[in-house]
Amino acid sequence: AQKITQTQPGMFVQEKEAVTLDCTYDTSDPSYGLFWYKQPSSGEMIFLIYQGSYDQQNATEGRYSLNFQKARKSANLVISASQLGDSAMYFCAMREGEYSGGSNYKLTFGKGTLLTVNP
Amino acid sequence: NAGVTQTPKFRVLKTGQSMTLLCAQDMNHEYMYWYRQDPGMGLRLIHYSVGEGTTAKGEVPDGYNVSRLKKQNFLLGLESAAPSQTSVYFCASSYEVGGAYNEQFFGPGTRLTVL
Repeated sequence: AQKITQTQPGMFVQEKEAVTLDCTYDTSDPSYGLFWYKQPSSGEMIFLIYQGSYDQQNATEGRYSLNFQKARKSANLVISASQLGDSAMYFCAMREGEYSGGSNYKLTFGKGTLLTVNP
Repeated sequence: NAGVTQTPKFRVLKTGQSMTLLCAQDMNHEYMYWYRQDPGMGLRLIHYSVGEGTTAKGEVPDGYNVSRLKKQNFLLGLESAAPSQTSVYFCASSYEVGGAYNEQFFGPGTRLTVL
């Protein structure tokens, strides 16, 4: 079974509008972290936002926020006021054993969502 | 700080040839990782290292070997390249703790084509 599922291969949004990119995860480990990375057409991986499984509040970083629904095992990325430069591939990833020590802290990635921002 | 660097950026090999990809980081990170990215597959972990002199297999290790002789370097080797190894390879590194402010830092990637 996939540990990270991103069900939207592609998404379109108008400039200045908000968009939500979906991510669901599967783990039996109570200690985990969830990440979103952006990959523009130039290819580099850019870290956007992090949510720990024990964090009480949803994470926010500028225009990025993470809608964390632990019971539903979802960690959707919300981008507010989209910009043309937001056009990129977005990856959700999970790191298990987050606070248990002795972990190798490896990431498991979803297959990604290609976001296109239209002017 | 240069962060994570990868050498080379591009490479074309013929089937059966060998090569080594070099990853270097200057952040004193204990952990290092090699991933491959294929269209529609996301990133998949090949091998990783939790410290100098240690290596371990990831999700897709077959056909690859790795070495971590120095803390700052992590080498990925292909002994006999196959067309199925055509991919973009990413190296990453992180501190040996979890939690916020400890994301993995990625190199720029190496685009490898095996003919």
